[in-house]
Amino acid sequence: SQQGEEDPQALSIQEGENATMNCSYKTSINNLQWYRQNSGRGLVHLILIRSNEREKHSGRLRVTLDTSKKSSSLLITASRAADTASYFCATTSYNQGGKLIFGQGTELSVKP
Amino acid sequence: DTAVSQTPKYLVTQMGNDKSIKCEQNLGHDTMYWYKQDSKKFLKIMFSYNNKELIINETVPNRFSPKSPDKAHLNLHINSLELGDSAVYFCASSQSGQGDQPQHFGDGTRLSIL
Repeated sequence: SQQGEEDPQALSIQEGENATMNCSYKTSINNLQWYRQNSGRGLVHLILIRSNEREKHSGRLRVTLDTSKKSSSLLITASRAADTASYFCATTSYNQGGKLIFGQGTELSVKP
Repeated sequence: DTAVSQTPKYLVTQMGNDKSIKCEQNLGHDTMYWYKQDSKKFLKIMFSYNNKELIINETVPNRFSPKSPDKAHLNLHINSLELGDSAVYFCASSQSGQGDQPQHFGDGTRLSIL
């Protein structure tokens, strides 16, 4: 069953602006991961945040996790045209054999 | 060097045929996965193997049979292909099957059933 829902489904911004994507999930999690998928390619791992962490940074990426609200956000600062892609959140839960349960994804378009 | 490689990249075939997709990873990971991505980009786990042993088998029709000859390879055989099997199939691997490590994905196999 689908765990996460992402919001917005599509986002269009200008280069240099910040992009924020949100993800909500339904059950208790072990960790939450964000992936990027460029058109016609496989998914690329961006960040993993554990259930006992609240915020994580990696370069221009900032991820927050609020387990009380069962939600996470991904912020991309100073966006570039190359950031154009689909972004997915995915959760893992204890005793689930490591399977990722994906959200629906957000399609980000960054216009030069 | 490609970390997770799948072949073929494209597969176009008739309904009722049997086909296989191969996957290899050179990362030394213990766990490999198959995911299906539908036309709306929704991704769903199908199978997972840890060191050649099946650990996840979601409710997938038994026309789909994974095979792991060694921990670096996980192939997917599909019998009696149906129109609804049209999708992109992704292979992935991770260091462990505990869900606490990132997964590395191949570039997908685009399966089209005529």
